[in-house]
Amino acid sequence: SQQGEEDPQALSIQEGENATMNCSYKTSINNLQWYRQNSGRGLVHLILIRSNEREKHSGRLRVTLDTSKKSSSLLITASRAADTASYFCATERARGTYKYIFGTGTRLKVLA
Amino acid sequence: DADVTQTPRNRITKTGKRIMLECSQTKGHDRMYWYRQDPGLGLRLIYYSFDVKDINKGEISDGYSVSRQAQAKFSLSLESAIPNQTALYFCATSDYDRLHFGSGTRLTVV
Repeated sequence: SQQGEEDPQALSIQEGENATMNCSYKTSINNLQWYRQNSGRGLVHLILIRSNEREKHSGRLRVTLDTSKKSSSLLITASRAADTASYFCATERARGTYKYIFGTGTRLKVLA
Repeated sequence: DADVTQTPRNRITKTGKRIMLECSQTKGHDRMYWYRQDPGLGLRLIYYSFDVKDINKGEISDGYSVSRQAQAKFSLSLESAIPNQTALYFCATSDYDRLHFGSGTRLTVV
């Protein structure tokens, strides 16, 4: 079964707007990661947040983690057409298991 | 990621045929993974390996087998392909906490 469920499943915004997508998971985790996939290509790692962290930033990306609610959000600020892709969260349940379970993904479309 | 190479890129095969998907890496990573992607279902873990002697089942291993021939090579086999194994298959490697993906193999079973 899927550990992570992203919502929304699809999101369409105008260039320059912010995009927020959410990931919920079922069990306790060691870390949560976000990946990006362009049109059926291989996934690319974006950012990782550990279970003892609440927020991380990387460029235009901001990730939050709420372990009490078992949820994470990915915010992309000032979106660009090139941000159009699918975004997935992935969790490692326990430290050192190195077993990564993915969610169902959010398809983001940024309109120029 | 060009350091993780999957072959073939596309394959059409008939029901009941045996097929092998291959993955090789030049990253020197010990951990390797096979995932399957279906529309609307995200990626699901099939098998993963921490070294040539350590292979583990993932979420959906039934109907699949793997072989870790060397640190750099991890192949996935479908012993008797069936149509619902039509999907996009990804190999990935890992160092520390993140995955590095190949470009995928699009498999169609007719």
